[in-house]
Amino acid sequence: DPKIIQKPKYLVAVTGSEKILICEQYLGHNAMYWYRQSAKKPLEFMFSYSYQKLMDNQTASSRFQPQSSKKNHLDLQITALKPDDSATYFCASSQDLGVGQNTLYFGAGTRLSVL
Amino acid sequence: QQQVRQSSQSLTVWEGETAILNCSYENSAFDYFPWYQQFPGEGPALLIAIRSVSDKKEDGRFTIFFNKREKNLSLHIKDSQPGDSATYFCAASASSGSWQLIFGSGTQLTVMP
Repeated sequence: DPKIIQKPKYLVAVTGSEKILICEQYLGHNAMYWYRQSAKKPLEFMFSYSYQKLMDNQTASSRFQPQSSKKNHLDLQITALKPDDSATYFCASSQDLGVGQNTLYFGAGTRLSVL
Repeated sequence: QQQVRQSSQSLTVWEGETAILNCSYENSAFDYFPWYQQFPGEGPALLIAIRSVSDKKEDGRFTIFFNKREKNLSLHIKDSQPGDSATYFCAASASSGSWQLIFGSGTQLTVMP
């Protein structure tokens, strides 16, 4: 059974709309992250959270807003969608912050296509 | 400029051969280097990792060779199997106070039966 659940698996949106990507982890981890994987680009770190608190934000645009309603949830709201936002978005988690000491586990991703 | 570079976008080997995937990095502060394996439709999964205090890490058929002076490392997959066909990502982090992994762009490995 997958321990990090991302919903939906595929998402098609129109330019200018807003979408929420869902992530829940059942590993009992305290840290959660969002990464993005675009065509022809490496996996790119976006956000890290620890105990529901934002720790690091490497996303230049305020159109991307993580939301943590519970310790094991970290959703990603994207507003005013653009075609360039088309990518696979991966949620990840680790026992605690600090990737050198804690293994990062990834969900299966949400593939977003913006038309 | 990419901080972690994987020299080959794709690599094809025959079953039973040793596949060698190369990686280099820019930042001297990086001291933790995991390799992730990703199958189509799935997220990346940690395969094996090394810290900069070591020059070799072995786990079954998978071995990392690390050269701190040259700032490069390689993943060797011995006795490659068709089930090893996947994309392999080299990543790096400065373990002190770092909350993000920096990934390379990946090498797609195909093992022919």
